[in-house]
Amino acid sequence: DAKTTQPPSMDCAEGRAANLPCNHSTISGNEYVYWYRQIHSQGPQYIIHGLKNNETNEMASLIITEDRKSSTLILPHATLRDTAVYYCIPTRDSNYQLIWGAGTKLIIKP
Amino acid sequence: NAGVTQTPKFQVLKTGQSMTLQCAQDMNHNSMYWYRQDPGMGLRLIYYSASEGTTDKGEVPNGYNVSRLNKREFSLRLESAAPSQTSVYFCASKGWGYGYTFGSGTRLTVV
Repeated sequence: DAKTTQPPSMDCAEGRAANLPCNHSTISGNEYVYWYRQIHSQGPQYIIHGLKNNETNEMASLIITEDRKSSTLILPHATLRDTAVYYCIPTRDSNYQLIWGAGTKLIIKP
Repeated sequence: NAGVTQTPKFQVLKTGQSMTLQCAQDMNHNSMYWYRQDPGMGLRLIYYSASEGTTDKGEVPNGYNVSRLNKREFSLRLESAAPSQTSVYFCASKGWGYGYTFGSGTRLTVV
């Protein structure tokens, strides 16, 4: 599986867009980029995933560079409830053993 | 609501006691997972079941056993609890082409 690099922490003002970067330069052609988050003491929550094209759902947008070596998760209007640790995980659907790195601790400030 | 249900939510055990953590999902997912998360740490995979009838070891299987009872249910058993097994345990399920759905966790303390 591809290794990832994420900043350990980020701040964002409430109401602004939060942009979380992830570097996955060793990603293979059949690996999707999955994003999850974990709000304090809760189970992780799936946010979004993509292969090549940019994706958007009710929670977030995912921008994947053309060379697929990096991606950015965008929370368009961050709220205090978006404070969480965000994980970027490249993986194939056939892979049952995900490696959960340290992620990015996002703090939304009023 | 559809999702993953774990029981119990909290448990305190004495060293050497046994217990079974229960997990059930109602999304018709084939694969199910047990993770543990120690304070300030990331998730580590204990066991997984790719489909009904199969189970495989993850990163930290020692001290645990699992049973995939049917497609819905996947239980985790601690035969002889140790203080090192104090942790938060998460069950998850996954369908093909979808992300993981996690339960709310079981907070286990072994004294």
